[in-house]
Amino acid sequence: DTEVTQTPKHLVMGMTNKKSLKCEQHMGHRAMYWYKQKAKKPPELMFVYSYEKLSINESVPSRFSPECPNSSLLNLHLHALQPEDSALYLCASSLDNMLKNNEQFFGPGTRLTVL
Amino acid sequence: EDKVVQSPLSLVVHEGDTVTLNCSYEVTNFRSLLWYKQEKKAPTFLFMLTSSGIEKKSGRLSSILDKKELFSILNITATQTGDSAIYLCAVRAAGGGADGLTFGKGTHLIIQP
Repeated sequence: DTEVTQTPKHLVMGMTNKKSLKCEQHMGHRAMYWYKQKAKKPPELMFVYSYEKLSINESVPSRFSPECPNSSLLNLHLHALQPEDSALYLCASSLDNMLKNNEQFFGPGTRLTVL
Repeated sequence: EDKVVQSPLSLVVHEGDTVTLNCSYEVTNFRSLLWYKQEKKAPTFLFMLTSSGIEKKSGRLSSILDKKELFSILNITATQTGDSAIYLCAVRAAGGGADGLTFGKGTHLIIQP
């Protein structure tokens, strides 16, 4: 298995809803990432997990809550989002974040719309 | 603050032309520079560069890094309509722990038949 999978592909939610985005990889990668990408903009880093521990939180609002249950899974819990949070949410993984040569591979993304 | 600048931001050429996309960066503790191709979905990995002067090649695509002048180029020869995409340059810098990527704004490449 050489890919990063994300579910759901599309999500529409109201501002009072609670939902979760899921990401999975079975490549033995020990670093996983969440990025947010708005239309016509590059991806922006949100969170980094390394060996199942959160190591970077790029000043992301608390309405986004990441979780890494194990080395293969990464979740992003969403609560009380705003319409401006609508974006493509990308998950990525890499072998080991401490290695110098360390490609990140992206999942297909979840297209989130907040009404 | 780490910065990645790509140029041009958009480029329209005809099929068969050769294009050169540019990426310059200013980061602390540089580790690697990566090129991605993004069509309608997630970025697809193309190259990772860590050493100056060593060209990486994959078919009609090639890339090279200059760590002294802090830039990289991505060349595409004999372009095809399927090369139309946004090409993203990203830099990974060591932040003392686990590191994410800082992306440039991308070059939107359009290949006309």
